[in-house]
Amino acid sequence: NAGVTQTPKFQVLKTGQSMTLQCAQDMNHNSMYWYRQDPGMGLRLIYYSASEGTTDKGEVPNGYNVSRLNKREFSLRLESAAPSQTSVYFCASSVSLEGQKYGYTFGSGTRLTVV
Amino acid sequence: KQEVTQIPAALSVPEGENLVLNCSFTDSAIYNLQWFRQDPGKGLTSLLLIQSSQREQTSGRLNASLDKSSGRSTLYIAASQPGDSATYLCAVLPGGGYQKVTFGTGTKLQVIP
Repeated sequence: NAGVTQTPKFQVLKTGQSMTLQCAQDMNHNSMYWYRQDPGMGLRLIYYSASEGTTDKGEVPNGYNVSRLNKREFSLRLESAAPSQTSVYFCASSVSLEGQKYGYTFGSGTRLTVV
Repeated sequence: KQEVTQIPAALSVPEGENLVLNCSFTDSAIYNLQWFRQDPGKGLTSLLLIQSSQREQTSGRLNASLDKSSGRSTLYIAASQPGDSATYLCAVLPGGGYQKVTFGTGTKLQVIP
């Protein structure tokens, strides 16, 4: 099925470890996003990529890095995990402004726990 | 800065009731508005997308309306079912070039059999 695929679905890290969350979409969307969702905080934008080759900081970028590998893939890296990064991470994609008809599509999420 | 508010934060209704969820936004210069549902432990599933030139969209038992001038959208659910129990989020995309979506705080709906 067409959509946004995230891996892994679950992950437990020790403080200080690093890891990369993978995201891929097969809808030919231009823009991709990484959000984190915490109880009582709603969805907060970490980084986004408006188009292939560009990335920009969102609301809460500290402690994260991203790579837009190609049009399909957008990865999120935690260089040195901290307990405050325990959260559910969602990747999303959308078409460019010209084709905004299709709105946003979300992946199923990665539940990350940092101990 | 766009602010999106959803009231009520939680709602519990008996099965079969028709219900309305509300979404308010502070900046009426929007490009589109999208409604999502989120089941516990799951991702967001798109329900309806309303473009700024439209006033409503319908899908099955769901109807979403948009009134830009008053900064409001409503999601109407007809003949509610226990399977409708979820958190419902609205998301607003502002106009004027590339912009990022602003999500509402969500309404947690419970439909009691």
